Amino acid sequence: AQKVTQAQTEISVVEKEDVTLDCVYETRDTTYYLFWYKQPPSGELVFLIRRNSFDEQNEISGRYSWNFQKSTSSFNFTITASQVVDSAVYFCALSEVRGAQKLVFGQGTRLTINP
Amino acid sequence: ETGVTQTPRHLVMGMTNKKSLKCEQHLGHNAMYWYKQSAKKPLELMFVYNFKEQTENNSVPSRFSPECPNSSHLFLHLHTLQPEDSALYLCASSQGPNTGNNEQFFGPGTRLTVL
Repeated sequence: AQKVTQAQTEISVVEKEDVTLDCVYETRDTTYYLFWYKQPPSGELVFLIRRNSFDEQNEISGRYSWNFQKSTSSFNFTITASQVVDSAVYFCALSEVRGAQKLVFGQGTRLTINP
Repeated sequence: ETGVTQTPRHLVMGMTNKKSLKCEQHLGHNAMYWYKQSAKKPLELMFVYNFKEQTENNSVPSRFSPECPNSSHLFLHLHTLQPEDSALYLCASSQGPNTGNNEQFFGPGTRLTVL
């Protein structure tokens, strides 16, 4: 069975600090997708990134970066120079590549950026 | 309208009422999903529709009845709900199974309160 664990329930930092959100996953599939979504107070989940399991290159998009380590089954998300607008709940998710491609979500990490 | 829209955004209903949630996607996708998000719980997949056909029912009680008349519209009919059904109900869509692109795009959700 697939499982995603986000051990950090809540994180609070001061603006401009760097912050890393952890994600550990379990799957028996040899190929799979990993995702990060952001849920601001408005409620809508906003897609941030999708990573295929055979692509272990780290990715950077502006202040956001993702570190995929297949050896430790982790897909961590780092925000550099955090801003108040980054405050949200962040979800890591896993899906199979074929078939129904259902998303299995972690429990989410509530990130609060204080001014 | 663009993306995924949901109506109503907020709904308060009694346990004996019958109501419906509506979701519409303007992305040309073929798969649509209903999720339930309760306080302090992971997002729970409820139903999956691919090309208007239901392909997943995640052991959802019969008081929730989905309907997918076409690939762009998805409904969730509610009757004789319980207070514990109060939650944020999120709709999502994706290109569909076996497309190699299963990024799911979410609507803003319906905040449901059952009295």
